[in-house]
Amino acid sequence: AQTVTQSQPEMSVQEAETVTLSCTYDTSENNYYLFWYKQPPSRQMILVIRQEAYKQQNATENRFSVNFQKAAKSFSLKISDSQLGDTAMYFCASMYSGGGADGLTFGKGTHLIIQP
Amino acid sequence: EADIYQTPRYLVIGTGKKITLECSQTMGHDKMYWYQQDPGMELHLIHYSYGVNSTEKGDLSSESTVSRIRTEHFPLTLESARPSHTSQYLCASSEYFGGEHYGYTFGSGTRLTVV
Repeated sequence: AQTVTQSQPEMSVQEAETVTLSCTYDTSENNYYLFWYKQPPSRQMILVIRQEAYKQQNATENRFSVNFQKAAKSFSLKISDSQLGDTAMYFCASMYSGGGADGLTFGKGTHLIIQP
Repeated sequence: EADIYQTPRYLVIGTGKKITLECSQTMGHDKMYWYQQDPGMELHLIHYSYGVNSTEKGDLSSESTVSRIRTEHFPLTLESARPSHTSQYLCASSEYFGGEHYGYTFGSGTRLTVV
């Protein structure tokens, strides 16, 4: 079984600042994927960034980047130059890639508030 | 623009009523999922499907049932709604090809309130 832990229930930063959301996970698998999803208030959940566990290079998507530490089972999300539209719930998730339903295991989420 | 559609967006219904939450996707994905999101925002997998005529129960026990008669359609049914079913229900499908997973696409959700 996989578990995902997000230890920061809520974070608040000023617009244009850089913020890092933490995530740790536990899995006995060697092949898996890690994701960060964003859920704005009353809106659809969308994929922010994706990381294959077999890749050493950290994934980046514009202002979003991850710090993937496989040995430590850590997968933090860094948001640079934060914007008001980044206010949302952020979920870290893992997926075993060995087949089956490939269900995502989610953390409990971090509520990120960007202050003007 | 979402390629996975959930209806209704909001539903308030009385105890004991039968309801069906609709979910359709236009991406041709084989794998589809239903998640229940509680007020604390935590997500729990309640049903999934590998493809047509395949349905499985997820990690969280649920009194709901699902069907998958067509690839694009994955409805969830509650035969007799109760206040404990009040929650947000998210439908998703996943993209997998070339040996790679590309994550889920989620619908906008159905917020169900049973009174």
